[in-house]
Amino acid sequence: AQSVAQPEDQVNVAEGNPLTVKCTYSVSGNPYLFWYVQYPNRGLQFLLKYITGDNLVKGSYGFEAEFNKSQTSFHLKKPSALVSDSALYFCAVRVPILNSGYSTLTFGKGTMLLVSP
Amino acid sequence: DAGVIQSPRHEVTEMGQEVTLRCKPISGHNSLFWYRQTMMRGLELLIYFNNNVPIDDSGMPEDRFSAKMPNASFSTLKIQPSEPRDSAVYFCASTQGGGSYEQYFGPGTRLTVT
Repeated sequence: AQSVAQPEDQVNVAEGNPLTVKCTYSVSGNPYLFWYVQYPNRGLQFLLKYITGDNLVKGSYGFEAEFNKSQTSFHLKKPSALVSDSALYFCAVRVPILNSGYSTLTFGKGTMLLVSP
Repeated sequence: DAGVIQSPRHEVTEMGQEVTLRCKPISGHNSLFWYRQTMMRGLELLIYFNNNVPIDDSGMPEDRFSAKMPNASFSTLKIQPSEPRDSAVYFCASTQGGGSYEQYFGPGTRLTVT
């Protein structure tokens, strides 16, 4: 089955330090991978995606993610964390719907990022 | 653009009552998704519409749940009868083209069934 895993329930980092939120995937074929962020009492917001091309993908709010095929990973990174980055982060992968020609997204469980002042 | 609009934002109801959640997708988007989010189960896809037609409803928990999309600008998710275990945040999302494109989420409806 096509899936993503986020091994950390929570990541703690001090403001100004680099941050990494981990995601690994399991898919057949070429993966389409996404990162979303959810602030309290809000819907998910798209950050970035990888479909093909450069393994380093840049997204919103200074975030970037590195696609690593050999490690089947798509970790989210930011060089310098802000307190306002504190939120719930979701990794997602495109999943085909069998015999339909359509696809949807399957989301990981989410990782809470807490950035301390 | 106003983004994806959901109503109501909060709903509190008693067990056994009918609940109807509403969604207006972003104009021009042809795909619409209903999700349910709980602490225990995370974010679950309930149903996916493309061009107003249900493509995948395998995530709908049981017959008490039903969803419709009568036109490109409106969708409903109905629970009848509601049960306490249906308490969750329900999100609607839309996109231009299925799973290859970024989805735009509404603010969600927080449902509490007592």
